[in-house]
Amino acid sequence: DAKTTQPPSMDCAEGRAANLPCNHSTISGNEYVYWYRQIHSQGPQYIIHGLKNNETNEMASLIITEDRKSSTLILPHATLRDTAVYYCIVRHTGFQKLVFGTGTRLLVSP
Amino acid sequence: SQTIHQWPATLVQPVGSPLSLECTVEGTSNPNLYWYRQAAGRGLQLLFYSVGIGQISSEVPQNLSASRPQDRQFILSSKKLLLSDSGFYLCAWSGVGAHQPQHFGDGTRLSIL
Repeated sequence: DAKTTQPPSMDCAEGRAANLPCNHSTISGNEYVYWYRQIHSQGPQYIIHGLKNNETNEMASLIITEDRKSSTLILPHATLRDTAVYYCIVRHTGFQKLVFGTGTRLLVSP
Repeated sequence: SQTIHQWPATLVQPVGSPLSLECTVEGTSNPNLYWYRQAAGRGLQLLFYSVGIGQISSEVPQNLSASRPQDRQFILSSKKLLLSDSGFYLCAWSGVGAHQPQHFGDGTRLSIL
């Protein structure tokens, strides 16, 4: 699976959009981009995933660059409950395991 | 909607004792099932996965085993726990399909004394 690079931490004001970047420059054509988050002492929560088109669901939007070498997770109106570690994961469709890196620790403040 | 249940939430066991952690999924059929472990301050490590009843694949050699006696039940076991088995154990499920996302339970925090 391709390696991902994320900033270790980010801050966001409550009510503002949180834009979390991820670099995956070695991604291959069969690899999807997945985003999860983990709140302390809980299991990871699936947020969104995509291959090459932008995706949106009730939680977030995923913007993938045309060359697929990077992506951005957008939380449109961050709340205090969005404070968590966010993981960007690239996984080949033929492999079962998710490889979690160190992620981005997002702190949403009032 | 689909839900995943893991129990117990926390467990304290002595070294050398047996272990059985259970995971069940509701609201879906023939899911892929997974056991992960997260050691303190580290990332998740896939231990086992299953694509069907009685089918278990092991990702890493270890002191643990897994079984899938029913379609939506996944069990993690050990005959004799080691101190190194301490950690946060997570069960996950995914739908059938190459890129389906995995959905995690709330985990079991296991401490070995």
